[in-house]
Amino acid sequence: GDSVTQMEGPVTLSEEAFLTINCTYTATGYPSLFWYVQYPGEGLQLLLKATKADDKGSNKGFEATYRKETTSFHLEKGSVQVSDSAVYFCALSDRGNTGKLIFGQGTTLQVKP
Amino acid sequence: GAVVSQHPSRVICKSGTSVKIECRSLDFQATTMFWYRQFPKQSLMLMATSNEGSKATYEQGVEKDKFLINHASLTLSTLTVTSAHPEDSSFYICSAQSSGSTYEQYFGPGTRLTVT
Repeated sequence: GDSVTQMEGPVTLSEEAFLTINCTYTATGYPSLFWYVQYPGEGLQLLLKATKADDKGSNKGFEATYRKETTSFHLEKGSVQVSDSAVYFCALSDRGNTGKLIFGQGTTLQVKP
Repeated sequence: GAVVSQHPSRVICKSGTSVKIECRSLDFQATTMFWYRQFPKQSLMLMATSNEGSKATYEQGVEKDKFLINHASLTLSTLTVTSAHPEDSSFYICSAQSSGSTYEQYFGPGTRLTVT
């Protein structure tokens, strides 16, 4: 079945460092891909998404490109802030558009001043 | 906009009792709601998909009689954990999907259930 694999955390960075969180997927067909963020004590929020190959999703300085050839959707940010500390989830949604999401295990990011 | 609330945010109950968790879409109509379970340091696992006015669709391995889901209106879905046991202790999260075509899900803040 479909699955999502993320790099294990926690990831600890200093402020203004470059961030990469790896995400790869296995899916039949052509899924839509998402990154969600969960700040402490809050629900998941959609950070960005891409619906087809080579699409780049971006938001709040974060970017991820849908790479069909490597089945990847790595999350990047050029300069992280303390406020970016959160848990990040990669997810996919099948093309059947049932709305069902399959999540990776989540990666905790801690940014230190 | 697109706010989803859950109540209660945390609950402690004794083994054998039942607990009801509410999920509400506050400013939009949700034809579909999803219920997830999240174990510590693990991913969200989809339990069931709930469509307004019809029976929920449960994922494989989820006990229908133990996790009762009702989606009686376009803004409210409930999850009732019946005859709770300590192994049911977990973080339960709901999400709501609007009637629009984006298929984006909006997540509630979650409910921490502890069964003693």
